[in-house]
Amino acid sequence: ELKVEQNPLFLSMQEGKNYTIYCNYSTTSDRLYWYRQDPGKSLESLFVLLSNGAVKQEGRLMASLDTKARLSTLHITAAVHDLSATYFCAVDLNDYKLSFGAGTTVTVRA
Amino acid sequence: GAGVSQSPSNKVTEKGKDVELRCDPISGHTALYWYRQSLGQGLEFLIYFQGNSAPDKSGLPSDRFSAERTGGSVSTLTIQRTQQEDSAVYLCASSLGAGAGELFFGEGSRLTVL
Repeated sequence: ELKVEQNPLFLSMQEGKNYTIYCNYSTTSDRLYWYRQDPGKSLESLFVLLSNGAVKQEGRLMASLDTKARLSTLHITAAVHDLSATYFCAVDLNDYKLSFGAGTTVTVRA
Repeated sequence: GAGVSQSPSNKVTEKGKDVELRCDPISGHTALYWYRQSLGQGLEFLIYFQGNSAPDKSGLPSDRFSAERTGGSVSTLTIQRTQQEDSAVYLCASSLGAGAGELFFGEGSRLTVL
């Protein structure tokens, strides 16, 4: 059974500082996804990482994938308030069935 | 449609009643998924439909849960004899096809069983 672990589960960020969310998974896979969920809303796709060494950036967010270490990171640069949300990573089990982490709830304070 | 549409957005029911949740996927998306999100938890896979293939029902938690997809488009998730532990947000997602990458999620149906 594929296990996907995120840490931390809760992250209080100070505006302007940098932070990293980690996503570890237990079984070989080279397809990893990051989603964002605002309270009461659905999940919005952020990044799709499809190979070892893949790095994608959008604004203040950058995601990377190391399939050998079975690790993905989501790096936040100079946090701002509108990044407050819950972030999920998800890993392919077998081409279609995504296994999700528990989510990291991010709060950005002034 | 422009996005995945789910209804109802909120449903409060009494224990023992049956409920139906509806999902209308993005037009042209052949793959459709149901996930369940309990309070403060991650997403739990329930069922997957791909075109005319037999669905993967391996995530359904009990035989009280069933789902169908008519005409390769709209899907209905049915929960019979609801229990309090069924309370959760039920999320539907669609994608272009198997292995097609990212899923596009609806806003979910929040089910509360009293």
